Amino acid sequence: AQSVAQPEDQVNVAEGNPLTVKCTYSVSGNPYLFWYVQYPNRGLQFLLKYITGDNLVKGSYGFEAEFNKSQTSFHLKKPSALVSDSALYFCAVRASGGYNKLIFGAGTRLAVHP
Amino acid sequence: GAVVSQHPSWVICKSGTSVKIECRSLDFQATTMFWYRQFPKQSLMLMATSNEGSKATYEQGVEKDKFLINHASLTLSTLTVTSAHPEDSSFYICSARDELAGGRLAKNIQYFGAGTRLSVL
Repeated sequence: AQSVAQPEDQVNVAEGNPLTVKCTYSVSGNPYLFWYVQYPNRGLQFLLKYITGDNLVKGSYGFEAEFNKSQTSFHLKKPSALVSDSALYFCAVRASGGYNKLIFGAGTRLAVHP
Repeated sequence: GAVVSQHPSWVICKSGTSVKIECRSLDFQATTMFWYRQFPKQSLMLMATSNEGSKATYEQGVEKDKFLINHASLTLSTLTVTSAHPEDSSFYICSARDELAGGRLAKNIQYFGAGTRLSVL
């Protein structure tokens, strides 16, 4: 079965420190992986994607993610967190079959403290 | 990036009435759009895939007659919650792919609307 796991409900980090939001996946075939961010009462904003190529993917707002095939992980990272990064982050994988449906993880709330 | 507009952003209605939510792709065409439902502090649950010119594909457990989807053009999909009840109160989000975008990478990105918060009294 295809699935995405985000093991942490919440991640707390001090401003200026590096942050990591974890994601692991289970999918048949080559994975198409995505990170999205959601601010309160808003839709999701695309951050970055991995489809093929370099394992380290750079995205919007200074975020990056590392694809690790052996660990089936796609952790989101940022070298120096900002208070404005505080939001809900979703990892997603494209489901096999038609229409390119996405399967989302449960989400991780990132809280960056001044 | 591509922009998806969703309207209204907030709606309050009486139990038993119907509510229509619109999802528009503003600067691209989308033969396929997606409708999600999100409960507080939970992830997005895919309700259905909206297909331009044909019937929507509903996920298991989603009532077709309750959540009517119409995808009449390449830039507009609507979700109508019929005979709404308080348990239908939720945050509804649509998304679309820019299927004409250049390259396989760009084609696979879903762009999301800002969401519609439905409160049924």
